[in-house]
Amino acid sequence: DIQMTQSPSSLSASLGDSVTITCRASQSISIYLNWYQQKPGKAPTLLIYAASNLESGVPSRFSGSGSGTDFTLTISSLQPEDFATYYCQQSFSTPLYTFGQGTKLEIK
Amino acid sequence: QVQLVQSGAEVKKPGSSVKVSCKASGGTFNNNAICWVRQAPGQGLEWMGRIVPILGIANYTQRWKGRVTIVADKSTTTTYMELSSLRSEDTAMYYCATDPAGGMGTLDNWGQGTLVTVSS
Repeated sequence: DIQMTQSPSSLSASLGDSVTITCRASQSISIYLNWYQQKPGKAPTLLIYAASNLESGVPSRFSGSGSGTDFTLTISSLQPEDFATYYCQQSFSTPLYTFGQGTKLEIK
Repeated sequence: QVQLVQSGAEVKKPGSSVKVSCKASGGTFNNNAICWVRQAPGQGLEWMGRIVPILGIANYTQRWKGRVTIVADKSTTTTYMELSSLRSEDTAMYYCATDPAGGMGTLDNWGQGTLVTVSS
């Protein structure tokens, strides 16, 4: 099975800051990497697909990059609504997917 | 745009089974796979399995094989996830999500979640 490792597991930042979350795959997954945001008590929502493509309606302050085994999600100019938990997910090993363990972004 | 509506919360005894439904409406059910994801309290997302309704073929991670069964009823555009031999550690929120055909394995629409509580 492909393992996905996110870092850090938690992160504190201030409004207006820029933050980067990293996701590493245990083997190459090309660009089959998606990012989700989850707020407390809600289902996750898709932010970025295929490593770097912004889902429709997602603000442009979110960006993704990477290929192979190393990927990043960057959020620039943090807004109050961005404080949430973020997950990466690999879909290279279709039909068996895996998620990273999540990164909780909190207000400093 | 497909909308997914899941069945209501369940309370089950250890050793029993639970069957959660996920009805797709507003779009084309047969063009999507439906995935099931669980989230234990305070924990991360865990992918359980996936079905392609038009084919009726389901796949599960090794961890869930033998305990999870996912089926689809094309006539009602409803997918069901049944988890057997329940234990307290199965207390979790269970989500269904669409995985569009020909896509990049993105889960682009999610149900509202179904809370399953396992308690004696």
